[in-house]
Amino acid sequence: KAGVTQTPRYLIKTRGQQVTLSCSPISGHRSVSWYQQTPGQGLQFLFEYFSETQRNKGNFPGRFSGRQFSNSRSEMNVSTLELGDSALYLCASSLVQASYEQYFGPGTRLTVT
Amino acid sequence: TQLLEQSPQFLSIQEGENLTVYCNSSSVFSSLQWYRQEPGEGPVLLVTVVTGGEVKKLKRLTFQFGDARKDSSLHITAAQPGDTGLYLCAGAATSGTYKYIFGTGTRLKVLA
Repeated sequence: KAGVTQTPRYLIKTRGQQVTLSCSPISGHRSVSWYQQTPGQGLQFLFEYFSETQRNKGNFPGRFSGRQFSNSRSEMNVSTLELGDSALYLCASSLVQASYEQYFGPGTRLTVT
Repeated sequence: TQLLEQSPQFLSIQEGENLTVYCNSSSVFSSLQWYRQEPGEGPVLLVTVVTGGEVKKLKRLTFQFGDARKDSSLHITAAQPGDTGLYLCAGAATSGTYKYIFGTGTRLKVLA
């Protein structure tokens, strides 16, 4: 069974721009969660999507948004990029909503200059 | 706010040595997971512990959940260079809305 895939793997953007990241979950998994990982803050939960609806949300500003499609694929969008948004963005899929067993993709490394 | 503190933060040991990593919180977790993350990759789930006092073994790795479900430990016997990586504990909050919290991480380097 194929794992979680994320595209692109690396991205360089300029402050003020916006970016869209993509995540394809494991086949059959209906929940997708997004995380931000930085050396200073560690792994922090952004939000979770299940059946095309955002079910849970972490403490991030409204510049961070996402959506999920009917095939469970998910996208995350960050608008008006700031230097502090530079991070590894990870998505994780699970079979059910609010699962405590998650399977992570390799991440997208975003650098904001 | 539920936090998970891991110790030590960094660990560099020789191949063949034993080590223990700790994950502590003042809050109760309904379950706790351990992950290992290698550079350039996402975390990989190693184990889930659910019951207070539970012990699980995965080859040379032994995981224990505290009796009060507030802490956990990971013990590695006869460490090998392939064990090198970032070890993360994570827990599901027991109250309020769903929150999945990751620990601060322990970066392990095993030298050949």
